Amino acid sequence: GDSVTQMEGPVTLSEEAFLTINCTYTATGYPSLFWYVQYPGEGLQLLLKATKADDKGSNKGFEATYRKETTSFHLEKGSVQVSDSAVYFCALIITSGTYKYIFGTGTRLKVLA
Amino acid sequence: NAGVMQNPRHLVRRRGQEARLRCSPMKGHSHVYWYRQLPEEGLKFMVYLQKENIIDESGMPKERFSAEFPKEGPSILRIQQVVRGDSAAYFCASSPPGTAASTDTQYFGPGTRLTVL
Repeated sequence: GDSVTQMEGPVTLSEEAFLTINCTYTATGYPSLFWYVQYPGEGLQLLLKATKADDKGSNKGFEATYRKETTSFHLEKGSVQVSDSAVYFCALIITSGTYKYIFGTGTRLKVLA
Repeated sequence: NAGVMQNPRHLVRRRGQEARLRCSPMKGHSHVYWYRQLPEEGLKFMVYLQKENIIDESGMPKERFSAEFPKEGPSILRIQQVVRGDSAAYFCASSPPGTAASTDTQYFGPGTRLTVL
């Protein structure tokens, strides 16, 4: 079945360090791919998305490229800030007959000043 | 433009009681989704509804759980005879009507955190 696999956390980085959070997926067809961010005690906020192969989603310095050949959608940021500390979820959407998301288990990021 | 609203934000119930969680989608959105997040886990799909219709309930437990999205008013997720294992955060999301391209992004509410004592 369709699934999303994320690297396990927590990931602890110093401010201004480079961030990569790996995400790979298994899906039939061509799903849209998403990264959502969840700050403590809050709901999920859409960070970025890509709807087809080779698309690059970007927002707030984060970016991810839809790689069909490696079935990956890794999240990157060149220089993290303390305010980026949160849980990051990779997700894909099933669109055949329904529109439910399949989420990864989430990766907790902690950025130290 | 108000986002997805959920209430209550926190709900405490004793075992055997009923829990009712409400979700008001974003204005103009006619698709509602419910997800459950257990502690330290990702979100799991429960149910997808359109106005007065359940489209996909493949993630709903077979017993005690039900959902509706009436013509008027919010969507309701109802859990009867709650047990400790129902303690979780329940998130609602909505998306607008239209083609797959316009519906693929879902907008999430802040969640209801249910604690069963």
